[in-house]
Amino acid sequence: GDQVEQSPSALSLHEGTGSALRCNFTTTMRAVQWFRKNSRGSLINLFYLASGTKENGRLKSAFDSKERYSTLHIRDAQLEDSGTYFCAAEAMTNSAGNKLTFGIGTRVLVRP
Amino acid sequence: EAAVTQSPRNKVTVTGGNVTLSCRQTNSHNYMYWYRQDTGHGLRLIHYSYGAGNLQIGDVPDGYKATRTTQEDFFLLLELASPSQTSLYFCASRGQETLYFGSGTRLTVL
Repeated sequence: GDQVEQSPSALSLHEGTGSALRCNFTTTMRAVQWFRKNSRGSLINLFYLASGTKENGRLKSAFDSKERYSTLHIRDAQLEDSGTYFCAAEAMTNSAGNKLTFGIGTRVLVRP
Repeated sequence: EAAVTQSPRNKVTVTGGNVTLSCRQTNSHNYMYWYRQDTGHGLRLIHYSYGAGNLQIGDVPDGYKATRTTQEDFFLLLELASPSQTSLYFCASRGQETLYFGSGTRLTVL
């Protein structure tokens, strides 16, 4: 089946620093979405990409369908960036229509 | 802003119990989804629907039924709950691109 491999599983950052999360795909994906689960348990959509890169504040995401990966970069990390981040992707040959496959998540902890 | 509302927020039942989780979206989206989230697994798709009366099987459907009664309402049914179904359940709707999630229902099966 379609596979989404997300890494790392956990990440600890000091305030003001940055890092990157990555999702590798075992098949060609049509699009990718990134979400953050916040301290209240809500899943917030961060990005939707069908190609290229998008940036929103201190977050930047890239998606390369041909090379089968997507990244999410956090720069100048703040305490409120803590949470669990998920990528989710839709296969190019998705016979089931609109079905997203999620990565296992990355638990990000930003420390003072 | 898209709105997806789940109820209840928390539910405790016993093995063999009958549980219904509710989800309502006011976005006029065609697609609705039920996921469960467990540590080490991310979110796994149980069932989904692309409109009233339609039901599609997801990746982990065993032990679950679902029904889409209207464009707005999608229900997840556990007719004989088991401890393995203890989990955090998320409902979502989708328009053209983005998935919008509800706040989740934490279900505990004793």
